[in-house]
Amino acid sequence: DSGVTQTPKHLITATGQRVTLRCSPRSGDLSVYWYQQSLDQGLQFLIQYYNGEERAKGNILERFSAQQFPDLHSELNLSSLELGDSALYFCASSPSASRDEKLFFGSGTQLSVL
Amino acid sequence: TQLLEQSPQFLSIQEGENLTVYCNSSSVFSSLQWYRQEPGEGPVLLVTVVTGGEVKKLKRLTFQFGDARKDSSLHITAAQPGDTGLYLCAGAIFQGAQKLVFGQGTRLTINP
Repeated sequence: DSGVTQTPKHLITATGQRVTLRCSPRSGDLSVYWYQQSLDQGLQFLIQYYNGEERAKGNILERFSAQQFPDLHSELNLSSLELGDSALYFCASSPSASRDEKLFFGSGTQLSVL
Repeated sequence: TQLLEQSPQFLSIQEGENLTVYCNSSSVFSSLQWYRQEPGEGPVLLVTVVTGGEVKKLKRLTFQFGDARKDSSLHITAAQPGDTGLYLCAGAIFQGAQKLVFGQGTRLTINP
């Protein structure tokens, strides 16, 4: 158990819909990262938050947004869903935002867009 | 765009054999991390190599970072069925914040 909690574990929805994925980082960790894992693209970095502020952005679509709340949990919002958005979405956390820091990954949310 | 090429993508060998997984890039990374991922779970960090030429050992697993910090390898000696899983390399780029660039992964199957 990494200490990172993601909910829900599975999510099935239809095209055009909007969903929210939730992540609670390890106790004491200030950084939260979101990754998307698909069969053809592998693990893709989406976005990082540190202590409530956006710190780094990766290949995140404009239809996707995220935020980190004062209690440090984070939510990833996916809107106008398309079939191609079906993937595993992982949240990871780390103590700070330092160089070469170890990331602790949650078990992921499996999103299926039908 | 930084790319990390991982090979082979799939590897199926018999218990007791040795194997090497490679991770190559044209980019220089501040560090290289190796993760292992089980079905239904997130990646779990195995090791981080930071210095060019660095070698780290974790029981039967040997990790090496290339001298130029662009490539890395994972060597497993006397593979066991418990080594079965998805192995991912990830290069760290630090530009004010750390970004991890992941390879496509090597799906390893060790047959008893």
